[in-house]
Amino acid sequence: QVQLVESGGGVVQPGRSLRLSCAASGFTFTNYGIHWVRQAPGKGLEWVAVLWSDGINKDYVDSVKGRFTISRDNSKNTVYLQMNSLRAEDTAVYYCARAERGRYFFDYWGLGTLVTVSS
Amino acid sequence: EIVLTQSPATLSLSPGERATLSCRASQSISTYLAWYQQKPGQPPRLLIYDASNRATGIPARFSGSGSGTDFTLTISSLEPEDFAVYYCQQHSRWFFGPGTKVNIK
Repeated sequence: QVQLVESGGGVVQPGRSLRLSCAASGFTFTNYGIHWVRQAPGKGLEWVAVLWSDGINKDYVDSVKGRFTISRDNSKNTVYLQMNSLRAEDTAVYYCARAERGRYFFDYWGLGTLVTVSS
Repeated sequence: EIVLTQSPATLSLSPGERATLSCRASQSISTYLAWYQQKPGQPPRLLIYDASNRATGIPARFSGSGSGTDFTLTISSLEPEDFAVYYCQQHSRWFFGPGTKVNIK
């Protein structure tokens, strides 16, 4: 069955870095774009980043451009979100989700990992 | 940038009642709109894609309609498990609307 499992969250001080992982299984990894979506406590959903199914093209929400980097290791079926220069406003549950090539909607989501940026 | 607005922000209804949720886009998005349901402590679940297509396993009481800039999610008869927050999402950079919370009255 399709599974997306996030890991790597935790408490980090402002200005520091964290790397999140999204381990995928149960589907052909390279047929899907993998997205990161975050949700600050008590708030709505915010799309953060995408790595297209080609593994090359990427896009980010403006608020994280230059600070976050998305990448993929096909041998491990894992997508990473490297988060640098973290700010208090990056505090959120981070979900990874998949979208089939050519599609925009997310049919499977992970359970999420909590990132807390605090001194 | 296409912005989605959802109304109402909160909807208070009783089980068995009909729920009508609205999502409006700032410019035409054809039928490239999806709806998700989220319960506390859980990830979102895809309900509807391309404005009116139910995702796998979604009950028939959920239906979507609309095109262009105005879209509607209808729950024909609310079940206890339907009380949740509902988000719409568009295809342009995958942005979401702010959500509608469906409360038990």
